[in-house]
Amino acid sequence: GAVVSQHPSWVICKSGTSVKIECRSLDFQATTMFWYRQFPKQSLMLMATSNEGSKATYEQGVEKDKFLINHASLTLSTLTVTSAHPEDSSFYICSARVEPTEQYFGPGTRLTVT
Amino acid sequence: ILNVEQSPQSLHVQEGDSTNFTCSFPSSNFYALHWYRWETAKSPEALFVMTLNGDEKKKGRISATLNTKEGYSYLYIKGSQPEDSATYLCAFYGGATNKLIFGTGTLLAVQP
Repeated sequence: GAVVSQHPSWVICKSGTSVKIECRSLDFQATTMFWYRQFPKQSLMLMATSNEGSKATYEQGVEKDKFLINHASLTLSTLTVTSAHPEDSSFYICSARVEPTEQYFGPGTRLTVT
Repeated sequence: ILNVEQSPQSLHVQEGDSTNFTCSFPSSNFYALHWYRWETAKSPEALFVMTLNGDEKKKGRISATLNTKEGYSYLYIKGSQPEDSATYLCAFYGGATNKLIFGTGTLLAVQP
């Protein structure tokens, strides 16, 4: 149990376009999901907390207008990178909270902006 | 700024060797310490959630210890196998931050 899927697993897009990444909890419901970003040789950095039915909470330094998060159902959260630029190229990974401190992760999405 | 550090950054061992790595974290406002195993192209897999000082947990050949007073945790792998090759992440959960703070991971490569 507690499987989280993420789609797509990798995506290449042109600078200025938008990209949507989906995170789904497959066999459980998650009122809270998290979006992380990882740059090479760095740790997973929390970008935002996605709450079902309400606005996401963004970490300091993360532009909410650039990284749009929607958590419209108990099994789906989406992250849209708007007007992507090469510096947005990174590894994006989501997780879903099961217990107060337990999270299950998706496999991640590699975004390359050319 | 809360800092979680892992060492070594990478490790190469021979099949059958036992190995261990370290995670250091803030000793104040401690709530839980997580260990994850992350294979390439897969989801990070939860290994342990540790909450009590002095706690020791075991899962097959993998075990972990926790010292919350001095702020460190060790992960041990006994008799490493090639399938143990992965990045091992630790993450600190503190009451003040209410979120997981990750280390950069230890990349383990086990040579057959």
